[in-house]
Amino acid sequence: DGGITQSPKYLFRKEGQNVTLSCEQNLNHDAMYWYRQDPGQGLRLIYYSQIVNDFQKGDIAEGYSVSREKKESFPLTVTSAQKNPTAFYLCASSRSHPPVRNYGYTFGSGTRLTVV
Amino acid sequence: KQEVTQIPAALSVPEGENLVLNCSFTDSAIYNLQWFRQDPGKGLTSLLLIQSSQREQTSGRLNASLDKSSGRSTLYIAASQPGDSATYLCAASSQGGSEKLVFGKGTKLTVNP
Repeated sequence: DGGITQSPKYLFRKEGQNVTLSCEQNLNHDAMYWYRQDPGQGLRLIYYSQIVNDFQKGDIAEGYSVSREKKESFPLTVTSAQKNPTAFYLCASSRSHPPVRNYGYTFGSGTRLTVV
Repeated sequence: KQEVTQIPAALSVPEGENLVLNCSFTDSAIYNLQWFRQDPGKGLTSLLLIQSSQREQTSGRLNASLDKSSGRSTLYIAASQPGDSATYLCAASSQGGSEKLVFGKGTKLTVNP
């Protein structure tokens, strides 16, 4: 079955450390996205990629970096510059960006990052 | 700038009740509107997608409506069950600008046996 795989499910980061969250999809989707979810807030867009070797900043890109070297993969690095990285991170994909009217977004199961 | 609001933030109902979850959006220029379900600590599961040209979509006990002129969407759940307990999120895929998916903060539904 096609879908999005995020790993690891839980991740612990020490102060000053960079960590990378993995996101892989086998849906043949061109567009991929990273969202951050905090309690009591809606999902906020960190970065998105419309196509391989291209990506754009979302609303809260500071302290994060991404790459899109393969269509299937869109890893997110949380750098030491991100002052409050503890959150639930969700990866999503869509057939295209901008989206088509009859096709929505598919989400992964998420990675919970905790700073220790 | 698109803003999506979901009211109420939490809802508790007895099993078997029919219920309606509300979603409002400020900009009617949308590609589509999508309803998701999120269980605690899990990712988002897509429930229904309504294209901008459609009025409603149905899947099993779920029915979602869209009224762009009033900036509203509703998710109707018939004959609710304890397994329906989850947080329900609506998201509008906005035209113009960066064409982002804008989420509401969700309604946490509890169905009591």
